[in-house]
Amino acid sequence: KAGVTQTPRYLIKTRGQQVTLSCSPISGHRSVSWYQQTPGQGLQFLFEYFSETQRNKGNFPGRFSGRQFSNSRSEMNVSTLELGDSALYLCASSRATGMVYGELFFGEGSRLTVL
Amino acid sequence: GNSVTQMEGPVTLSEEAFLTINCTYTATGYPSLFWYVQYPGEGLQLLLKATKADDKGSNKGFEATYRKETTSFHLEKGSVQVSDSAVYFCALSDLLNNAGNMLTFGGGTRLMVKP
Repeated sequence: KAGVTQTPRYLIKTRGQQVTLSCSPISGHRSVSWYQQTPGQGLQFLFEYFSETQRNKGNFPGRFSGRQFSNSRSEMNVSTLELGDSALYLCASSRATGMVYGELFFGEGSRLTVL
Repeated sequence: GNSVTQMEGPVTLSEEAFLTINCTYTATGYPSLFWYVQYPGEGLQLLLKATKADDKGSNKGFEATYRKETTSFHLEKGSVQVSDSAVYFCALSDLLNNAGNMLTFGGGTRLMVKP
């Protein structure tokens, strides 16, 4: 069974640019969540998508956005990049039913460096 | 709001030593509690979970008991191995408002096990 796949794995951008990250969840998983991981702030929840709808949103500015497609694949976009956006962006998928809430399967992440 | 506090690392132990990583939480509802582990260069993996007070989660020799009276979920292992070297994250989720996949993470504790 294939795991969560994130692309690209590494990327370098400059301030002011925008970036799009992609996530393919485990087959059958309808929920996709995104987290930002930095040494200073740790792991912070960005947003969750379920059945193409944003179900939850963390405390991030509007420059951070996402979407989910009918096949459950998800993308997140960061516009007008700032140096502080440098981070590891983790995608996680879940069946999101009943007792398995919180049981997330994480990808290896996309490491974004903003220069 | 919800929060998770865990002991800062790094924790350095010799092989076969006893491990405890402390975790306490603050939550407004009735959270589920989790331990996730991140091995070098990999995404997070669910290690164990507990969904209600006095539940004990266990996996791969690791255990943690959901203590509502002390709002704690300490991780323990009787005999660590070099292969347990990783970063351990305590987390909670609250099922209220369909936020079950919106995890609040602690800052992480790095464990280093020496042969």
